[in-house]
Amino acid sequence: NAGVMQNPRHLVRRRGQEARLRCSPMKGHSHVYWYRQLPEEGLKFMVYLQKENIIDESGMPKERFSAEFPKEGPSILRIQQVVRGDSAAYFCASSLGGRAYNEQFFGPGTRLTVL
Amino acid sequence: GDSVTQMEGPVTLSEEAFLTINCTYTATGYPSLFWYVQYPGEGLQLLLKATKADDKGSNKGFEATYRKETTSFHLEKGSVQVSDSAVYFCALSDRETSGSRLTFGEGTQLTVNP
Repeated sequence: NAGVMQNPRHLVRRRGQEARLRCSPMKGHSHVYWYRQLPEEGLKFMVYLQKENIIDESGMPKERFSAEFPKEGPSILRIQQVVRGDSAAYFCASSLGGRAYNEQFFGPGTRLTVL
Repeated sequence: GDSVTQMEGPVTLSEEAFLTINCTYTATGYPSLFWYVQYPGEGLQLLLKATKADDKGSNKGFEATYRKETTSFHLEKGSVQVSDSAVYFCALSDRETSGSRLTFGEGTQLTVNP
């Protein structure tokens, strides 16, 4: 039973390029969360999605960042026109339900480096 | 808003020493509480959780008790091993917010020396 999968594991982009991060949730999970971990910091919530719907994007930067979770295929976190400050580890998590007690299972993360 | 405060690290211990990592929280509702562990270069793994007051979560010798009166969820282990070296995150999920989004503390780096 595969866990949460993220790819790529490492991504290098130059300033101004686009970054696309992919997340495949655990089988049977329809709730996906994205978190960002800046160097030497804890994880910060970015966005919460269910299939085809954005439920809570209160943690997303207002510009350049977008997320989707289509009916078929993985969830995508897209960062347009990347800047050096976007360098971070981006983690995806999935859960079976959307209640506070539902455990979230984390992927291994995508480490984005912006040159 | 919700927040989690962890004791500052890093923490360095000798093998078989007693471990405590303090965690306190503020929440608008009635949160569920979690401890996650992150090994170098990896994602987070759930270590233990508690969903209501006075619950004790336990796993792999680690324990934490949900204390509503002191808004705390301190992590303890009686005898640490070198393999416990990792970063530990305290987190909460608030029923008043959507879904089970997690609010994390800053993390505590634990190093256990042989």
